[in-house]
Amino acid sequence: DTEVTQTPKHLVMGMTNKKSLKCEQHMGHRAMYWYKQKAKKPPELMFVYSYEKLSINESVPSRFSPECPNSSLLNLHLHALQPEDSALYLCASSNRPYEGVDTQYFGPGTRLTVL
Amino acid sequence: DQQVKQNSPSLSVQEGRISILNCDYTNSMFDYFLWYKKYPAEGPTFLISISSIKDKNEDGRFTVFLNKSAKHLSLHIVPSQPGDSAVYFCAARGGGSQGNLIFGKGTKLSVKP
Repeated sequence: DTEVTQTPKHLVMGMTNKKSLKCEQHMGHRAMYWYKQKAKKPPELMFVYSYEKLSINESVPSRFSPECPNSSLLNLHLHALQPEDSALYLCASSNRPYEGVDTQYFGPGTRLTVL
Repeated sequence: DQQVKQNSPSLSVQEGRISILNCDYTNSMFDYFLWYKKYPAEGPTFLISISSIKDKNEDGRFTVFLNKSAKHLSLHIVPSQPGDSAVYFCAARGGGSQGNLIFGKGTKLSVKP
């Protein structure tokens, strides 16, 4: 089983709203990731959590705030977003983040639209 | 500076024939390469991978070839099926670069019946 689930599937929010994206995996993976993907572009890494600790933050604006409550869950809290933040937000997980041979498995994504 | 390049934005193939998707990279520290398939508005699906200690890996209709001296890899799909129509991303990972998958821009494959 290589399933990563994400909720909600679609989200529309105004620039003053606060919302959260959720991601869950039950594969016992030790690392979880947030990516952002714009149309016709490859996924761009935002954050990495390894062993429930934030290990990589790719210079993401503070209006995006990640949280890892436990090893199976990953949240992305959104506040005061801009229309240019509209994109597909992808969660991924992997089992051996510090080893070379490490495969990331992606969830279906949340399509976010900021009005 | 693109470290992983997929120079063909699109590829059209007849059903039953071979599809060959290409990927070039510039960083010789990359030691693990992956191919993902993506449908619109869905997350990438892992297809197949190859470690830099190998030059070929096969899984059913999918075979990945790695030429380290040329810093080139390719994905072969034989026979191609209409359901294979999707965007294919090549990704690379450097030794010890925890979490950092570098993606190419993708190649859109269309398999015509």
